[in-house]
Amino acid sequence: DTGVSQDPRHKITKRGQNVTFRCDPISEHNRLYWYRQTLGQGPEFLTYFQNEAQLEKSRLLSDRFSAERPKGSFSTLEIQRTEQGDSAMYLCASSLPRDTLYEQYFGPGTRLTVT
Amino acid sequence: AQKVTQAQTEISVVEKEDVTLDCVYETRDTTYYLFWYKQPPSGELVFLIRRNSFDEQNEISGRYSWNFQKSTSSFNFTITASQVVDSAVYFCALSDFSGGINYKLTFGKGTLLTVNP
Repeated sequence: DTGVSQDPRHKITKRGQNVTFRCDPISEHNRLYWYRQTLGQGPEFLTYFQNEAQLEKSRLLSDRFSAERPKGSFSTLEIQRTEQGDSAMYLCASSLPRDTLYEQYFGPGTRLTVT
Repeated sequence: AQKVTQAQTEISVVEKEDVTLDCVYETRDTTYYLFWYKQPPSGELVFLIRRNSFDEQNEISGRYSWNFQKSTSSFNFTITASQVVDSAVYFCALSDFSGGINYKLTFGKGTLLTVNP
């Protein structure tokens, strides 16, 4: 049973560049979440998909951020014109809803450093 | 608005000591879920427990136990006979049902637990 995978694990980019991260959820998990975690803080919700539909976006997700899940499987998170404040760990999670609430399974994260 | 407060930023104990991590939450919802996650140095969040707002029974799993008290809006986590491998950051999180389908998690800032040999 493979878990949630994220690629790349680390990304260093210069301010102003665009970056894209990929998340592969656990097979058959139809819900996929993106969170951002800065140093010394807990993860903060960014956005959420059910299948290919993006159902909610946080106010943290500025216009420079866009997320997609085109076929309801893997997802990408793109940041355009990166800023130093974007430096963080970007976490992906997936889940399979049941009658009662489920748990979210998290990937290892992509650590972004903007120089 | 939801909020989770973990007042203890860091805790350091010696192996075999018991340790309790505090979590206080705020929500206007009557139906909600509470979670604890562990984040070891490797960085991956590991699910530990889920509790719904209608079930105030305490739970024990091996050396781990959880105390949920709605009257004080607290969901505390105790590790008995701590071990070095318990060293990690522990997060308490809250999920509500606003809008009926919104299951996003609101996390606290975490407590860094260091267990020394």
